[in-house]
Amino acid sequence: QQQVKQSPQSLIVQKGGISIINCAYENTAFDYFPWYQQFPGKGPALLIAIRPDVSEKKEGRFTISFNKSAKQFSLHIMDSQPGDSATYFCAAVGGGSQGNLIFGKGTKLSVKP
Amino acid sequence: DTGVSQDPRHKITKRGQNVTFRCDPISEHNRLYWYRQTLGQGPEFLTYFQNEAQLEKSRLLSDRFSAERPKGSFSTLEIQRTEQGDSAMYLCASSWTLENTEAFFGQGTRLTVV
Repeated sequence: QQQVKQSPQSLIVQKGGISIINCAYENTAFDYFPWYQQFPGKGPALLIAIRPDVSEKKEGRFTISFNKSAKQFSLHIMDSQPGDSATYFCAAVGGGSQGNLIFGKGTKLSVKP
Repeated sequence: DTGVSQDPRHKITKRGQNVTFRCDPISEHNRLYWYRQTLGQGPEFLTYFQNEAQLEKSRLLSDRFSAERPKGSFSTLEIQRTEQGDSAMYLCASSWTLENTEAFFGQGTRLTVV
Protein backbone atom coordinates (compact mmCIF):
# COMPACT_ATOMS: atom_id res chain seq x y z
CA GLN A 1 0.00 0.00 0.00
CA GLN A 2 1.55 3.24 -1.16
CA GLN A 3 1.20 5.84 1.54
CA VAL A 4 2.74 8.76 -0.37
CA LYS A 5 1.64 9.39 -3.95
CA GLN A 6 3.82 11.58 -6.13
CA SER A 7 3.17 13.20 -9.49
CA PRO A 8 4.14 13.71 -12.21
CA GLN A 9 6.44 10.79 -12.92
CA SER A 10 8.54 12.99 -15.22
CA LEU A 11 8.73 16.68 -15.92
CA ILE A 12 10.44 18.77 -18.60
CA VAL A 13 10.90 22.47 -17.91
CA GLN A 14 12.69 25.22 -19.78
CA LYS A 15 15.57 27.00 -18.08
CA GLY A 16 14.21 29.81 -15.95
CA GLY A 17 10.79 28.21 -15.61
CA ILE A 18 8.99 26.92 -12.52
CA SER A 19 9.03 23.22 -11.74
CA ILE A 20 6.15 21.93 -9.63
CA ILE A 21 5.98 18.46 -8.11
CA ASN A 22 3.01 17.29 -6.09
CA CYS A 23 2.56 14.73 -3.35
CA ALA A 24 -0.39 13.41 -1.40
CA TYR A 25 -0.38 11.34 1.74
CA GLU A 26 -2.89 9.21 3.57
CA ASN A 27 -1.65 8.84 7.13
CA THR A 28 -2.63 11.88 9.19
CA ALA A 29 -0.08 10.87 11.83
CA PHE A 30 2.78 11.89 9.53
CA ASP A 31 4.49 14.91 11.05
CA TYR A 32 7.55 15.64 8.92
CA PHE A 33 7.68 15.98 5.15
CA PRO A 34 11.11 16.19 3.49
CA TRP A 35 12.03 16.44 -0.15
CA TYR A 36 15.11 14.66 -1.43
CA GLN A 37 17.11 15.24 -4.60
CA GLN A 38 18.94 12.34 -6.20
CA PHE A 39 21.45 12.39 -9.02
CA PRO A 40 22.27 9.21 -10.96
CA GLY A 41 24.55 6.90 -9.00
CA LYS A 42 24.24 8.95 -5.83
CA GLY A 43 22.25 8.63 -2.66
CA PRO A 44 19.32 10.97 -1.98
CA ALA A 45 20.23 14.34 -0.47
CA LEU A 46 17.88 16.37 1.70
CA LEU A 47 16.69 19.47 -0.12
CA ILE A 48 14.07 21.04 2.12
CA ALA A 49 11.56 19.85 4.69
CA ILE A 50 8.38 21.06 6.39
CA ARG A 51 6.22 20.22 9.39
CA PRO A 52 2.41 20.36 9.21
CA ASP A 53 2.11 23.40 11.46
CA VAL A 54 3.54 25.54 8.64
CA SER A 55 1.81 26.17 5.31
CA GLU A 56 4.89 27.24 3.36
CA LYS A 57 8.65 27.10 3.67
CA LYS A 58 11.12 28.72 1.34
CA GLU A 59 14.84 28.13 1.01
CA GLY A 60 16.46 29.92 -1.88
CA ARG A 61 14.78 28.83 -5.11
CA PHE A 62 12.98 25.94 -3.42
CA THR A 63 9.57 26.30 -1.76
CA ILE A 64 7.33 23.71 -0.11
CA SER A 65 3.61 24.44 0.01
CA PHE A 66 1.65 22.37 2.52
CA ASN A 67 -2.13 21.85 2.67
CA LYS A 68 -2.94 19.89 5.81
CA SER A 69 -6.68 19.64 5.20
CA ALA A 70 -6.15 18.25 1.71
CA LYS A 71 -3.23 16.08 2.86
CA GLN A 72 -1.14 17.42 0.01
CA PHE A 73 2.21 19.13 -0.33
CA SER A 74 4.22 20.34 -3.25
CA LEU A 75 7.72 21.42 -4.22
CA HIS A 76 8.21 24.50 -6.35
CA ILE A 77 11.57 25.14 -7.97
CA MET A 78 11.79 28.73 -9.16
CA ASP A 79 14.14 29.82 -11.97
CA SER A 80 14.88 26.17 -12.77
CA GLN A 81 18.42 25.49 -13.98
CA PRO A 82 19.93 22.61 -15.98
CA GLY A 83 21.85 21.66 -12.82
CA ASP A 84 18.50 20.99 -11.14
CA SER A 85 17.97 18.05 -13.50
CA ALA A 86 17.64 15.10 -11.13
CA THR A 87 15.05 12.82 -9.57
CA TYR A 88 13.06 14.35 -6.74
CA PHE A 89 11.39 12.33 -4.01
CA CYS A 90 8.87 13.50 -1.49
CA ALA A 91 8.72 11.60 1.76
CA ALA A 92 6.85 11.48 5.02
CA VAL A 93 7.81 10.49 8.54
CA GLY A 94 5.79 9.86 11.66
CA GLY A 95 2.81 7.87 12.80
CA GLY A 96 4.89 5.68 15.03
CA SER A 97 7.29 4.79 12.26
CA GLN A 98 10.34 5.51 14.43
CA GLY A 99 11.68 7.97 11.93
CA ASN A 100 11.90 5.80 8.87
CA LEU A 101 11.00 7.62 5.68
CA ILE A 102 8.08 6.68 3.45
CA PHE A 103 9.03 7.81 -0.05
CA GLY A 104 7.01 8.65 -3.11
CA LYS A 105 7.99 7.03 -6.39
CA GLY A 106 9.93 10.02 -7.59
CA THR A 107 9.78 12.64 -10.33
CA LYS A 108 12.50 12.83 -12.95
CA LEU A 109 13.05 16.49 -13.75
CA SER A 110 14.81 17.62 -16.90
CA VAL A 111 15.57 21.31 -17.29
CA LYS A 112 16.29 22.24 -20.90
CA PRO A 113 18.77 25.03 -21.61
CA ASP B 1 34.73 13.17 4.40
CA THR B 2 32.36 13.15 7.35
CA GLY B 3 29.29 11.90 5.48
CA VAL B 4 27.73 8.45 5.47
CA SER B 5 30.09 5.97 3.87
CA GLN B 6 29.10 2.69 2.23
CA ASP B 7 31.28 -0.12 0.98
CA PRO B 8 31.48 -1.56 -1.59
CA ARG B 9 29.92 0.82 -4.11
CA HIS B 10 29.21 -2.00 -6.52
CA LYS B 11 28.87 -5.74 -6.07
CA ILE B 12 28.21 -8.40 -8.68
CA THR B 13 27.50 -11.84 -7.35
CA LYS B 14 26.20 -15.14 -8.59
CA ARG B 15 22.78 -16.33 -7.51
CA GLY B 16 22.99 -18.32 -4.33
CA GLN B 17 26.06 -16.58 -2.96
CA ASN B 18 26.13 -14.56 0.25
CA VAL B 19 27.02 -10.87 0.24
CA THR B 20 27.75 -8.38 3.01
CA PHE B 21 27.62 -4.60 2.83
CA ARG B 22 29.04 -2.11 5.30
CA CYS B 23 27.80 1.30 6.35
CA ASP B 24 29.68 3.86 8.42
CA PRO B 25 27.24 6.52 9.64
CA ILE B 26 28.01 10.10 10.50
CA SER B 27 29.82 9.96 13.79
CA GLU B 28 27.61 10.56 16.82
CA HIS B 29 24.43 9.77 14.87
CA ASN B 30 22.62 7.23 16.99
CA ARG B 31 20.06 6.19 14.38
CA LEU B 32 20.96 4.12 11.36
CA TYR B 33 18.61 3.00 8.60
CA TRP B 34 18.85 0.62 5.68
CA TYR B 35 16.77 1.16 2.56
CA ARG B 36 16.49 -0.64 -0.76
CA GLN B 37 15.92 1.18 -4.02
CA THR B 38 15.06 -0.46 -7.32
CA LEU B 39 15.21 1.27 -10.67
CA GLY B 40 12.56 3.95 -11.06
CA GLN B 41 11.31 3.63 -7.50
CA GLY B 42 11.76 5.50 -4.29
CA PRO B 43 13.81 3.97 -1.49
CA GLU B 44 11.96 1.41 0.64
CA PHE B 45 12.64 1.03 4.34
CA LEU B 46 14.27 -2.24 5.41
CA THR B 47 15.42 -1.87 9.00
CA TYR B 48 16.48 0.62 11.64
CA PHE B 49 18.89 0.75 14.58
CA GLN B 50 18.93 2.98 17.60
CA ASN B 51 22.52 2.65 18.78
CA GLU B 52 23.18 -1.11 18.71
CA ALA B 53 19.55 -2.17 19.06
CA GLN B 54 17.62 -3.19 15.95
CA LEU B 55 14.22 -1.69 16.69
CA GLU B 56 12.21 -2.18 13.54
CA LYS B 57 12.25 -4.45 10.52
CA SER B 58 10.15 -4.14 7.40
CA ARG B 59 8.24 -7.10 6.04
CA LEU B 60 10.51 -6.63 3.01
CA LEU B 61 13.35 -8.00 5.12
CA SER B 62 13.08 -11.73 4.53
CA ASP B 63 14.84 -14.35 6.62
CA ARG B 64 17.74 -14.27 4.16
CA PHE B 65 18.55 -10.72 5.25
CA SER B 66 20.29 -9.89 8.50
CA ALA B 67 21.66 -6.63 9.79
CA GLU B 68 23.88 -5.81 12.72
CA ARG B 69 25.28 -2.72 14.32
CA PRO B 70 27.82 -3.85 16.91
CA LYS B 71 28.71 -1.24 19.50
CA GLY B 72 26.34 1.23 17.86
CA SER B 73 28.88 2.33 15.28
CA PHE B 74 29.11 0.87 11.76
CA SER B 75 26.47 -1.50 10.45
CA THR B 76 26.51 -4.51 8.15
CA LEU B 77 23.74 -5.89 5.99
CA GLU B 78 24.11 -9.49 4.89
CA ILE B 79 22.05 -11.22 2.24
CA GLN B 80 22.27 -15.00 2.19
CA ARG B 81 21.51 -17.17 -0.82
CA THR B 82 21.06 -14.18 -3.09
CA GLU B 83 18.29 -14.18 -5.69
CA GLN B 84 17.98 -12.14 -8.86
CA GLY B 85 15.18 -10.17 -7.21
CA ASP B 86 17.69 -8.89 -4.67
CA SER B 87 19.36 -6.79 -7.37
CA ALA B 88 18.95 -3.20 -6.22
CA MET B 89 20.70 -0.22 -4.68
CA TYR B 90 21.08 -0.65 -0.93
CA LEU B 91 21.17 2.68 0.85
CA CYS B 92 22.22 3.47 4.37
CA ALA B 93 21.16 6.62 6.20
CA SER B 94 21.85 8.03 9.64
CA SER B 95 20.26 10.67 11.81
CA TRP B 96 20.62 12.07 15.31
CA THR B 97 17.33 12.27 17.19
CA LEU B 98 13.69 11.60 16.50
CA GLU B 99 12.89 15.31 16.70
CA ASN B 100 15.64 16.15 14.25
CA THR B 101 14.57 13.67 11.63
CA GLU B 102 16.95 14.91 8.96
CA ALA B 103 18.43 11.72 7.56
CA PHE B 104 21.68 11.76 5.62
CA PHE B 105 22.18 9.07 3.00
CA GLY B 106 25.29 7.35 1.77
CA GLN B 107 25.93 6.81 -1.92
CA GLY B 108 24.65 3.28 -1.75
CA THR B 109 25.84 -0.17 -2.75
CA ARG B 110 24.55 -1.36 -6.10
CA LEU B 111 24.03 -5.12 -6.04
CA THR B 112 23.67 -7.12 -9.23
CA VAL B 113 22.80 -10.79 -8.91
CA VAL B 114 23.54 -12.81 -12.05
